[in-house]
Amino acid sequence: DTGVSQNPRHKITKRGQNVTFRCDPISEHNRLYWYRQTLGQGPEFLTYFQNEAQLEKSRLLSDRFSAERPKGSFSTLEIQRTEQGDSAMYLCASSLSLSEAFFGQGTRLTVV
Amino acid sequence: KQEVTQIPAALSVPEGENLVLNCSFTDSAIYNLQWFRQDPGKGLTSLLLIQSSQREQTSGRLNASLDKSSGRSTLYIAASQPGDSATYLCAGTNQAGTALIFGKGTTLSVSS
Repeated sequence: DTGVSQNPRHKITKRGQNVTFRCDPISEHNRLYWYRQTLGQGPEFLTYFQNEAQLEKSRLLSDRFSAERPKGSFSTLEIQRTEQGDSAMYLCASSLSLSEAFFGQGTRLTVV
Repeated sequence: KQEVTQIPAALSVPEGENLVLNCSFTDSAIYNLQWFRQDPGKGLTSLLLIQSSQREQTSGRLNASLDKSSGRSTLYIAASQPGDSATYLCAGTNQAGTALIFGKGTTLSVSS
């Protein structure tokens, strides 16, 4: 499968725990995006990487959220001290420059 | 701040109908326009990309157009089928190409 891969697909965690999600973009894609989507809403932009550089972050991305893309390959999104309001689908997308963006299947986070 | 509106929010049609989904942007200064399909609990599947120099794209029974001057896009689905039932999302890329801004989507139900 040469598409965008996200792991895990589902994560249930207790409030206050830390979680980390991984995204493997399409191999030649230099741009990588993270989004959050709640029920009935469109995806909301969280952050953007060009190669290994994190160039834009949404105000939605509180200081409990951190993202990395070491060596411009895979990316991780970590949420510290999770809250029930963090429950959502976390989506990753990649693109080659300003061309078509491709999304992964998402990681569904449930905070109990 | 860029906002995207999709009309209608939901649509139910019998199989075989032709239909039009609408998308509008508060700021017409978008770079690319992309239409996606999302099945329940799944990630996004790219349908069509209209790049900055284009006004229209076609793929099979789908046709998307973009009028940058008015900040409006339409997705035309010909001869709808039950398998077309899904949520359809439009997204514009900002001028810097650092984010796709999404609408809330149109949920389509096609009955046989």
